[in-house]
Amino acid sequence: AQKVTQAQTEISVVEKEDVTLDCVYETRDTTYYLFWYKQPPSGELVFLIRRNSFDEQNEISGRYSWNFQKSTSSFNFTITASQVVDSAVYFCALSEATIQGAQKLVFGQGTRLTINP
Amino acid sequence: EAGVVQSPRYKIIEKKQPVAFWCNPISGHNTLYWYRQNLGQGPELLIRYENEEAVDDSQLPKDRFSAERLKGVDSTLKIQPAELGDSAVYLCASSLVLTSGYQETQYFGPGTRLLVL
Repeated sequence: AQKVTQAQTEISVVEKEDVTLDCVYETRDTTYYLFWYKQPPSGELVFLIRRNSFDEQNEISGRYSWNFQKSTSSFNFTITASQVVDSAVYFCALSEATIQGAQKLVFGQGTRLTINP
Repeated sequence: EAGVVQSPRYKIIEKKQPVAFWCNPISGHNTLYWYRQNLGQGPELLIRYENEEAVDDSQLPKDRFSAERLKGVDSTLKIQPAELGDSAVYLCASSLVLTSGYQETQYFGPGTRLLVL
């Protein structure tokens, strides 16, 4: 069965510090997708990134960067120069293939990130 | 373009009462998902529709939960009767799944926060 582990339940840093959120996954599929979503206090899950299992290139988008390493089954997320607006719960998710071909998401338990001014 | 719309945003009911949640997906998305998110946890899939067909309802507690997506667009999730343990956030998501089975990213609505007293 697929499983996503986010070992950090809560992280608190001071604004402008860099912070890394860890994500470790388990799957038997050779083809899968990994995601990060942000959930601000308003409750909506905001899509941040999607990465397929064949693409191990790291990605950078502004202050956000992602490090995908198949060898360690990890997909870590780094925020550089954090800002108060980055405060939210962040979820890592894995898509598994179903017999119908489409994919459902399996989420980790989330990491609550607090950026203090 | 409008995102996933859900209503109501909040609902407080007494146990044993019925309750219903409504979701309108992003225009053109053929696949709709209902997730339940318990406090401090990641979302868990309840049911997935491809057009009007429920293709994965293995996690839906069928004794009290029901869902429908009659015209393959909007959907309703119902609980009858509600129990204390049903207090959670109910999230709706939608995506486009191609005939090949390839699924584009799931986008989430703001959720309905249910409190059962």
